[in-house]
Amino acid sequence: AQSVAQPEDQVNVAEGNPLTVKCTYSVSGNPYLFWYVQYPNRGLQFLLKYITGDNLVKGSYGFEAEFNKSQTSFHLKKPSALVSDSALYFCAVRSWNSGNTPLVFGKGTRLSVIA
Amino acid sequence: DAGVTQSPTHLIKTRGQHVTLRCSPISGHKSVSWYQQVLGQGPQFIFQYYEKEERGRGNFPDRFSARQFPNYSSELNVNALLLGDSALYLCASSFVGAGASYNEQFFGPGTRLTVL
Repeated sequence: AQSVAQPEDQVNVAEGNPLTVKCTYSVSGNPYLFWYVQYPNRGLQFLLKYITGDNLVKGSYGFEAEFNKSQTSFHLKKPSALVSDSALYFCAVRSWNSGNTPLVFGKGTRLSVIA
Repeated sequence: DAGVTQSPTHLIKTRGQHVTLRCSPISGHKSVSWYQQVLGQGPQFIFQYYEKEERGRGNFPDRFSARQFPNYSSELNVNALLLGDSALYLCASSFVGAGASYNEQFFGPGTRLTVL
């Protein structure tokens, strides 16, 4: 069975500092990995995905994520946080070995960027 | 281009009633998935439809049903509502469904269902 763990309910960071939101996953076979962001009273907005290739994936709004197969992790990063980055972030995984497997989400991490 | 649209945005029902939620995918997207997001949790998969056929079903009771229409829009129906059905219901569309798991899903704003 597929699963995603986001070990931190909340991450606080000062504006201008680098941020990291952690994600580890469990899947049979190779994973497709995704990060989504959710602003209040809004749906989920796609940030980036890892399919194959370079372990460092660049996405929207200056975010990037690093795929680490040995540690089964896909941490979200940004070199310099903005107050507007404050939101709820979700990591998600699905296995590419079975085309119809659903997208499985973590429980989310609330990012708070303090001015 | 318009994104995924959902209606209504908010809904209040009482226990035992039924509800129908609607979703229109992004133009050209043939796959629609439904998710339930309970407060404080990540979205939980309910259904996936592709080319008007059910292609996946999550661990939800038979009170939940869905369908996809020839124009690829979709409805989610929930019968005999329970208090625990209160949640944000999200619809997502993707360009290709079955067999192309790498395609990202694009989410609508959701329907907030409150069951009293």
